[in-house]
Amino acid sequence: GENVEQHPSTLSVQEGDSAVIKCTYSDSASNYFPWYKQELGKGPQLIIDIRSNVGEKKDQRIAVTLNKTAKHFSLHITETQPEDSAVYFCAASPSNAGGTSYGKLTFGQGTILTVHP
Amino acid sequence: KAGVTQTPRYLIKTRGQQVTLSCSPISGHRSVSWYQQTPGQGLQFLFEYFSETQRNKGNFPGRFSGRQFSNSRSEMNVSTLELGDSALYLCASSLSPGSKETQYFGPGTRLLVL
Repeated sequence: GENVEQHPSTLSVQEGDSAVIKCTYSDSASNYFPWYKQELGKGPQLIIDIRSNVGEKKDQRIAVTLNKTAKHFSLHITETQPEDSAVYFCAASPSNAGGTSYGKLTFGQGTILTVHP
Repeated sequence: KAGVTQTPRYLIKTRGQQVTLSCSPISGHRSVSWYQQTPGQGLQFLFEYFSETQRNKGNFPGRFSGRQFSNSRSEMNVSTLELGDSALYLCASSLSPGSKETQYFGPGTRLLVL
């Protein structure tokens, strides 16, 4: 089955700095890669996702890159703010030939991001 | 539009008991997936339901079961509870398993087994 490795497990940055979280996956059939943010006492919230037909996607201060050959994808957060402090999870999911994902996500172990004011 | 709702939010049980957790998906969503979250194992996939049928199942013992109703609401049951079943149980919904829509998570049910 799929295995997703996520690094680092903890990341501490100063407000305004950039933060990068990296994930690798093992199953070449995986074609959908979402990132979730989880705050204390809440469920994971989708912040950005990417499908295998694109190499990069950006949404304001957040960007994700995907390298299918190397089987790794990364989350980039620029101009970090204290409210970005949370646990971030990457995930991977296989999809069919049409590019639609299945309802089974394999998650990385999570990264605790702390942004210091 | 209301998000995914899960009840109850907190639950305390003792070993050997059974428990039933409920999940109501976002209106219009027909696929429901369940995940277990623990500090040691992280987020692990339990099962996925669509049209009242289980489509995928994770690597959990048969004590973990689920079902989906015609209105897409889902329940999961854990029988003969063990201490290791203490976890946050998360439900996620999406339009359908073949959809480009992603999964949206509820707040979870925190289960403590004593």
